[in-house]
Amino acid sequence: AQTVTQSQPEMSVQEAETVTLSCTYDTSESDYYLFWYKQPPSRQMILVIRQEAYKQQNATENRFSVNFQKAAKSFSLKISDSQLGDAAMYFCAYPDSGYALNFGKGTSLLVTP
Amino acid sequence: DTGVSQNPRHKITKRGQNVTFRCDPISEHNRLYWYRQTLGQGPEFLTYFQNEAQLEKSRLLSDRFSAERPKGSFSTLEIQRTEQGDSAMYLCASSPLGSTEAFFGQGTRLTVV
Repeated sequence: AQTVTQSQPEMSVQEAETVTLSCTYDTSESDYYLFWYKQPPSRQMILVIRQEAYKQQNATENRFSVNFQKAAKSFSLKISDSQLGDAAMYFCAYPDSGYALNFGKGTSLLVTP
Repeated sequence: DTGVSQNPRHKITKRGQNVTFRCDPISEHNRLYWYRQTLGQGPEFLTYFQNEAQLEKSRLLSDRFSAERPKGSFSTLEIQRTEQGDSAMYLCASSPLGSTEAFFGQGTRLTVV
């Protein structure tokens, strides 16, 4: 099975500042997708951003962007202008065989005023 | 609300009892997934349906677990002879054919006492 590693169990950021969450993965595939999901407390998981591996350009969704380093198998998430509502668990995910997602252990993001 | 719906939201059961959870995916989503999430971990894939066909099952899905999706609409996940180790959040997700985005429900939290 492919593995997804998130090495930061917890991160903290002040409102309006920028934070980067790291993720590394292992795959022998050449074309694939990578995802960041957000799971707020007691709420459902939602997709934050996705990256297609064959695209060299890093994906961006408003305040969220990724730094995708295919050779290094690294896929970090940058949150700019952090807001209190960004506080959540963030999961990096890679589609395993078929379409099942393989998730990392997650990073808990705390946003302080 | 046309999102993924899961019932019940919480379930407390005694060890050895059987439990059944229900998932109603987003209308016309062909794919449906079940995941299990324990405290401090990312979701782990259990099983996957495309329409009514169960196409993939994780080795995590022991003989005590069974999932169905009759008529390709809602799905049920049954756990027989529950054990304390089955205590977890059970997440359902759905996606349309050709899409890489999975939409998650709020989950069913199972506590086995």
